Amino acid sequence: AQSVTQLDSHVSVSEGTPVLLRCNYSSSYSPSLFWYVQHPNKGLQLLLKYTSAATLVKGINGFEAEFKKSETSFHLTKPSAHMSDAAEYFCVVAYMSPSYGKLTFGQGTILTVHP
Amino acid sequence: DSGVTQTPKHLITATGQRVTLRCSPRSGDLSVYWYQQSLDQGLQFLIQYYNGEERAKGNILERFSAQQFPDLHSELNLSSLELGDSALYFCASTMGATSGGKGGTDTQYFGPGTRLTVL
Repeated sequence: AQSVTQLDSHVSVSEGTPVLLRCNYSSSYSPSLFWYVQHPNKGLQLLLKYTSAATLVKGINGFEAEFKKSETSFHLTKPSAHMSDAAEYFCVVAYMSPSYGKLTFGQGTILTVHP
Repeated sequence: DSGVTQTPKHLITATGQRVTLRCSPRSGDLSVYWYQQSLDQGLQFLIQYYNGEERAKGNILERFSAQQFPDLHSELNLSSLELGDSALYFCASTMGATSGGKGGTDTQYFGPGTRLTVL
């Protein structure tokens, strides 16, 4: 079984300060992990993905995430928040078999950025 | 723009009715996935089709069904609608049958969603 827990439902930061969105996963095998972002009234956009290559993954818009197996974590960070980063972020774990795949989503973290 | 299209964008209907949501995957993608996003349940995987065949089922109700046509577009049929079916319905597509994992690193590309309101 696999699951993913986003530790904060809401995170609020000031523009120009660092962003940290926390995610822990549970999986009985080496997982593939993703972060998706959803802006209001928009679809989901992939920020980055980890698939057992480098543990530090760089994504779009300056975001990155580090896979830590010992902590079963995959936290999302950005050095300096921008107003346009305000959105809901989803940590996702993928289950894959040779014939099909499906994603399990965390509950989401709403990021608010104050000027 | 992900290349995945969904129609309609909004749908308002009454309880007990039936609706059909449509999804066209990205050009070249063979897999289509359907998800439901609601306030109480979050984002949940419903069902996956690959090249016309059902591949995986998630938390899909018996009142819901889907199919994928020879041109690879997919339709999600929701019947005997209840108030609780009000949600955003997303589809996503990948080239292969898998999404992530060591055997495949296909990224799921999501459409803009269909917002269903059941009154």
